[in-house]
Amino acid sequence: DGGITQSPKYLFRKEGQNVTLSCEQNLNHDAMYWYRQDPGQGLRLIYYSQIVNDFQKGDIAEGYSVSREKKESFPLTVTSAQKNPTAFYLCASSIGRDRVNEKLFFGSGTQLSVL
Amino acid sequence: GENVEQHPSTLSVQEGDSAVIKCTYSDSASNYFPWYKQELGKRPQLIIDIRSNVGEKKDQRIAVTLNKTAKHFSLHITETQPEDSAVYFCAATQISGRGAQKLVFGQGTRLTINP
Repeated sequence: DGGITQSPKYLFRKEGQNVTLSCEQNLNHDAMYWYRQDPGQGLRLIYYSQIVNDFQKGDIAEGYSVSREKKESFPLTVTSAQKNPTAFYLCASSIGRDRVNEKLFFGSGTQLSVL
Repeated sequence: GENVEQHPSTLSVQEGDSAVIKCTYSDSASNYFPWYKQELGKRPQLIIDIRSNVGEKKDQRIAVTLNKTAKHFSLHITETQPEDSAVYFCAATQISGRGAQKLVFGQGTRLTINP
């Protein structure tokens, strides 16, 4: 449900490796977000994008990078600079850049672990 | 920036009793306050939201109250049922430096309904 798909469901990262998490939506939403979920810390915003070819840093952007080349896609790369990458990553989307206070639709998440 | 504090972190109630979860926020400019429910192994989903121009909103067994003066809002669940067991997140809007509104989440409350 929701029209937003994340893959893979589980991902393992080796030391010094970059990994990319996929997020695709078919809801025709303009805005997309990446959140990190750690036990007891809620959801923390990594990056967000209000429109194609534009994105902004969230509260914990260090060690992460994103791109928004297509409206439907907002991949997140966890770089080797992120020293504590083990977490559950959630992608979300909402209707549009000119409409605020709108419902977020979440993907089913990716669990990233370090080998 | 916006800071959202949520209490309690865990809550256990008997089936049929009421549950209350409270959140405080710091940014007086925040004007949108949603609540998300995340069942075990599933994605967060919006259950109710309130905007700053109203003080209370109800939807069947759930209600949210907002006190703008005190900067706090609460989720109330009455006649609790086993399917209410989940993690609940509150959130408040934050205005970014570029004028975009984005959500800041609380730390989450794990609600357990005991039969």
